[in-house]
Amino acid sequence: GAGVSQTPSNKVTEKGKYVELRCDPISGHTALYWYRQSLGQGPEFLIYFQGTGAADDSGLPNDRFFAVRPEGSVSTLKIQRTERGDSAVYLCASSLVGTSVDTQYFGPGTRLTVL
Amino acid sequence: AQSVTQLGSHVSVSEGALVLLRCNYSSSVPPYLFWYVQYPNQGLQLLLKYTSAATLVKGINGFEAEFKKSETSFHLTKPSAHMSDAAEYFCAVSAPRGSQGNLIFGKGTKLSVKP
Repeated sequence: GAGVSQTPSNKVTEKGKYVELRCDPISGHTALYWYRQSLGQGPEFLIYFQGTGAADDSGLPNDRFFAVRPEGSVSTLKIQRTERGDSAVYLCASSLVGTSVDTQYFGPGTRLTVL
Repeated sequence: AQSVTQLGSHVSVSEGALVLLRCNYSSSVPPYLFWYVQYPNQGLQLLLKYTSAATLVKGINGFEAEFKKSETSFHLTKPSAHMSDAAEYFCAVSAPRGSQGNLIFGKGTKLSVKP
């Protein structure tokens, strides 16, 4: 079956602009995660959804970052007033039920570049 | 707080040689541990995971890892490297059991395989 997909694969924007990054999880997966991977680093947790609700947003760096999952499937990560430090690869993952033993399946990521 | 340390940001081996990628973790509770592989321009793929059953875990592509509580380690090994193993490898620990399972990653180890 289809894996996790993310669009766009690359996004170049200017400082101060607004961007949206989209994630399509594996069908039937209730849990969805967003991570951010900066150059030379491992992925860092941003936010976790169980169904439609954000169960844990403790990893969001500040209030410029927001994510939604209105119908419990597709999720959008929104970044306002982008800064050069937001440049990174944004990864989305989904899992069947969202427990700590569950396997997370990752998408290929969106590479965001803020000029 | 939980954390993961991967010793060696870059490891180079000859084709046919033993692969050893090191991972040490810190956790106040019994952890779940994971190894993921990331090929260029692809998403993270699960190699194997430790979920408190057998301490020696076998994964895909001939990789295995052994959980050693006394050493707080979960090193990844493969007896004979293949050119196709060249990739970046990430060790991760899951948030405590019963929680939502967001992963805490190490910084990664890039494996090069020489012909």
